[in-house]
Amino acid sequence: NAGVMQNPRHLVRRRGQEARLRCSPMKGHSHVYWYRQLPEEGLKFMVYLQKENIIDESGMPKERFSAEFPKEGPSILRIQQVVRGDSAAYFCASSPWGGRIADTQYFGPGTRLTVL
Amino acid sequence: QKEVEQDPGPLSVPEGAIVSLNCTYSNSAFQYFMWYRQYSRKGPELLMYTYSSGNKEDGRFTAQVDKSSKYISLFIRDSQPSDSATYLCAMSGAGGSEKLVFGKGMKLTVNP
Repeated sequence: NAGVMQNPRHLVRRRGQEARLRCSPMKGHSHVYWYRQLPEEGLKFMVYLQKENIIDESGMPKERFSAEFPKEGPSILRIQQVVRGDSAAYFCASSPWGGRIADTQYFGPGTRLTVL
Repeated sequence: QKEVEQDPGPLSVPEGAIVSLNCTYSNSAFQYFMWYRQYSRKGPELLMYTYSSGNKEDGRFTAQVDKSSKYISLFIRDSQPSDSATYLCAMSGAGGSEKLVFGKGMKLTVNP
């Protein structure tokens, strides 16, 4: 069973460009979470999605960031007009159908975004 | 006060030592407590999870949760050089599938 897949693994963008990060959850998992890890910082929650629904976006910056998890295909985290402060590792995690004890989250390898 | 506090270290120990890693938290709503291990430039890997208070053992690893003190610990017995990594504590609310709140992570080096 393949784990959580993220691509690209490394992404370089110039200031003002757009960044698109993709996440394919583990087979059978319908919950997707995005976290950001800034240098020397722990992981910070950004957004929680189920298929076609945003459940919790309390950690998303108010501007330039958006996320989706369509009925078909991977979840996408989109950053418009990137700035240097967006440089970080972005991790996606997935978990199975919710409501059961210990539906823990399994993480992908991350996308390392560098903004020049 | 941050929701989850974790000493970032770094911590360096000789091979075979017992390692103790700790986190404190302030949010009484946390019910699920997890420890993740993260190797350099990799994604976090789930090591242990515990629901509510108590102890859980898995091989050389023991996780403890003391909800009355809002304190969790991870013990590593007979530490190995392959245990060298960053260890992150994480917590979530009653649903289990809710967002995780992480500590900053403790960088551990086990010297042969």
